[in-house]
Amino acid sequence: SQTIHQWPATLVQPVGSPLSLECTVEGTSNPNLYWYRQAAGRGLQLLFYSVGIGQISSEVPQNLSASRPQDRQFILSSKKLLLSDSGFYLCAWGTGATPTDTQYFGPGTRLTVL
Amino acid sequence: AQSVTQLGSHVSVSEGALVLLRCNYSSSVPPYLFWYVQYPNQGLQLLLKYTSAATLVKGINGFEAEFKKSETSFHLTKPSAHMSDAAEYFCAVSGSSNTGKLIFGQGTTLQVKP
Repeated sequence: SQTIHQWPATLVQPVGSPLSLECTVEGTSNPNLYWYRQAAGRGLQLLFYSVGIGQISSEVPQNLSASRPQDRQFILSSKKLLLSDSGFYLCAWGTGATPTDTQYFGPGTRLTVL
Repeated sequence: AQSVTQLGSHVSVSEGALVLLRCNYSSSVPPYLFWYVQYPNQGLQLLLKYTSAATLVKGINGFEAEFKKSETSFHLTKPSAHMSDAAEYFCAVSGSSNTGKLIFGQGTTLQVKP
């Protein structure tokens, strides 16, 4: 069966520090991968998605970036965090085969920027 | 462009009462619609999805939703609320591309009172 992992589970970082969040998927190959951010009272915002290794599409211009160095690994990064980067970050995967594809979400990372 | 609007950021019901969470969509292509549930500090879990096979869709945990094209709605219902239904619920729409991108609504927090 497929599983999706995210780490760390929680993170407290000072403003201006770098960020690296990791997401890995097991039990499937060539998944579509997604990064979402959930800020308080603002629903889910799609940040990046990837349909293959090295292929990243950005949905929202900001100081975050994403990379996919391996088929089942998706990394969210920042060189300098802002207060507004605080939130709950969710990684998800799907087969991407059809528009009715279900997305499966990881447990999330709670990021607090102070 | 596609969008989803969830009416009511907070809904409160008594245990045993009907649950009705509202979702209206806007889409220039035939929509595929989803309801996800999020329990505190967890990722999202699929409740049900509309794939055009049937307008009344049954999901997990006794939830169902009806697709009404004339009203551009996909409201979520459950005949009798249980305390364990307390969570945040998200409606989402996907388009016709093979990226699997989902556009989420702002979410509705369901409170169940004893």
